[in-house]
Amino acid sequence: GAVVSQHPSWVICKSGTSVKIECRSLDFQATTMFWYRQFPKQSLMLMATSNEGSKATYEQGVEKDKFLINHASLTLSTLTVTSAHPEDSSFYICSARARTASKPLGNQPQHFGDGTRLSIL
Amino acid sequence: KNQVEQSPQSLIILEGKNCTLQCNYTVSPFSNLRWYKQDTGRGPVSLTIMTFSENTKSNGRYTATLDADTKQSSLHITASQLSDSASYICVVSANTGFQKLVFGTGTRLLVSP
Repeated sequence: GAVVSQHPSWVICKSGTSVKIECRSLDFQATTMFWYRQFPKQSLMLMATSNEGSKATYEQGVEKDKFLINHASLTLSTLTVTSAHPEDSSFYICSARARTASKPLGNQPQHFGDGTRLSIL
Repeated sequence: KNQVEQSPQSLIILEGKNCTLQCNYTVSPFSNLRWYKQDTGRGPVSLTIMTFSENTKSNGRYTATLDADTKQSSLHITASQLSDSASYICVVSANTGFQKLVFGTGTRLLVSP
């Protein structure tokens, strides 16, 4: 099945540090990748949507300069949390939507990575 | 406002028993409804995807139903196993733009030996 690899799985760093999280689709091409944030016992909240080769579309309330997203290829997207502070501590999850010609866009599977737990001290 | 509500919030059942989780949604225009299983500290894993015309879909011991008229869905788990302990998330795809997913808050299931 389709696999999405997210790295690192766990990060602890000091306040003010920038942290980069990678999301890779290992066995399929993903034209669209999504970045989510999840707080304990809450559901996933979409932060931004990125299409390969174009700028990411951010959800309302998500700071573009704080959460830098790069989607340079069909298999890799990165999220950089710049100058992270304790309130940025959370579980960050990426997902990738496969390009499947046989299905309408909305019915295409979305595969999730295993998340990155970010703790800012 | 597009919303997905799930019940119960949490559930404890004995190993081997069946259970049914509920999902109500107000997402429009509707594209499809998905059920995901999320283990603690892991990403969600897809169980089923149903479009408007599909009433039921099975994946092993998991059976999802969809009533597009009443905008309700259920996930039935048969002969539960300890490994079924997880959060089950109902997700509805809106048929707009990037086909965003609207997530429910999930049902936390604990299967007890």
